[in-house]
Amino acid sequence: DAKTTQPNSMESNEEEPVHLPCNHSTISGTDYIHWYRQLPSQGPEYVIHGLTSNVNNRMASLAIAEDRKSSTLILHRATLRDAAVYYCILRRPIQGAQKLVFGQGTRLTINP
Amino acid sequence: GAVVSQHPSRVICKSGTSVKIECRSLDFQATTMFWYRQFPKQSLMLMATSNEGSKATYEQGVEKDKFLINHASLTLSTLTVTSAHPEDSSFYICSARDLGTGTYGYTFGSGTRLTVV
Repeated sequence: DAKTTQPNSMESNEEEPVHLPCNHSTISGTDYIHWYRQLPSQGPEYVIHGLTSNVNNRMASLAIAEDRKSSTLILHRATLRDAAVYYCILRRPIQGAQKLVFGQGTRLTINP
Repeated sequence: GAVVSQHPSRVICKSGTSVKIECRSLDFQATTMFWYRQFPKQSLMLMATSNEGSKATYEQGVEKDKFLINHASLTLSTLTVTSAHPEDSSFYICSARDLGTGTYGYTFGSGTRLTVV
């Protein structure tokens, strides 16, 4: 499985934008980029995913580099409830079980 | 949206006993479910892939005789921790994907915190 690299931790202030980076230099052409987040003592929650183009949804935006070797999750206006561990994961759509393998993630702290 | 229910949320058991954790997809059918384990301050570690009607596929290093997985229906997978010991104390999480909606996100249960005393 192609690996991702994320900073261990980041800190931001409430109501400010947050840019969470992810490097995936060994990404293959068919790998999807997924982002999940995990709040304390809960299971992970799907945030967003993309392949080549930038993506937007209610929760966040995903900016994918042109060479696809990196991506950035953007929270446009962070709230205290966005404090969580954010995981960037590559998923290869091969036939059969398509498991998600988690890396260490980025622990995001939001200051009031 | 897709919901995965996990039960129990917390369990305390004595060393040497077995514990069963249930994972249900509430509003969709899941031919495949995934089981993870998470120790404090660490990431999720994939333990096994549960396949409806067939044997589970275990990740390297995971003892299949200790962590029994049964996926008897399209909405239920169970993980049984047999002869539990304190080192099995962990946060166990299941996951499934609703293929019917056309989305590609995976839904996770809320987790089961197992404490072996």
